[in-house]
Amino acid sequence: KAGVTQTPRYLIKTRGQQVTLSCSPISGHRSVSWYQQTPGQGLQFLFEYFSETQRNKGNFPGRFSGRQFSNSRSEMNVSTLELGDSALYLCASSLDLRVLDQPQHFGDGTRLSIL
Amino acid sequence: GQSLEQPSEVTAVEGAIVQINCTYQTSGFYGLSWYQQHDGGAPTFLSYNGLDGLEETGRFSSFLSRSDSYGYLLLQELQMKDSASYFCAPGGDDKIIFGKGTRLHILP
Repeated sequence: KAGVTQTPRYLIKTRGQQVTLSCSPISGHRSVSWYQQTPGQGLQFLFEYFSETQRNKGNFPGRFSGRQFSNSRSEMNVSTLELGDSALYLCASSLDLRVLDQPQHFGDGTRLSIL
Repeated sequence: GQSLEQPSEVTAVEGAIVQINCTYQTSGFYGLSWYQQHDGGAPTFLSYNGLDGLEETGRFSSFLSRSDSYGYLLLQELQMKDSASYFCAPGGDDKIIFGKGTRLHILP
């Protein structure tokens, strides 16, 4: 069974641009969560999607948005990029919501660098 | 509010036992997970505690005390490959909270 696939693996952008990251969950998984990881802040929750609906959102500005498609694939968009958005963006999928004993499976992430 | 505390770094010797503590505060708490992340890798699930007590999975054990909002991960017979970051992740209010994790250094 294929794991969580994130594309692209690496991305370089400049301030003010926008970026779209993609995540394909494990087949059969309906919940997709996005996280931002930086050395200073650790792993921070961005949002979670289930059945094409955003179910939860972390404390990030509105420049960060996402969506989920009917096949559970998800995209994350960041507009008006800032230097502080440089981070590893991780996507995780799980079978369902609120089922901690069913682990989240993480992708390898997209490394975003803002120049 | 929400809070999560675990040590930033822990050092132990190969073959020894190490315990990584985690205290948390989150509304709607329903369970505590642990994840491992090697440098350059993705976090991987280690264990889950939904009830008080100890859960054992091979060399790793995890403990939860709901009344104390406290848990720990116990790693036995440490191996060099256990050098990684470890995240406790309490689940509450329909989301899972991670933090900065604990960096575990293993000395030969």
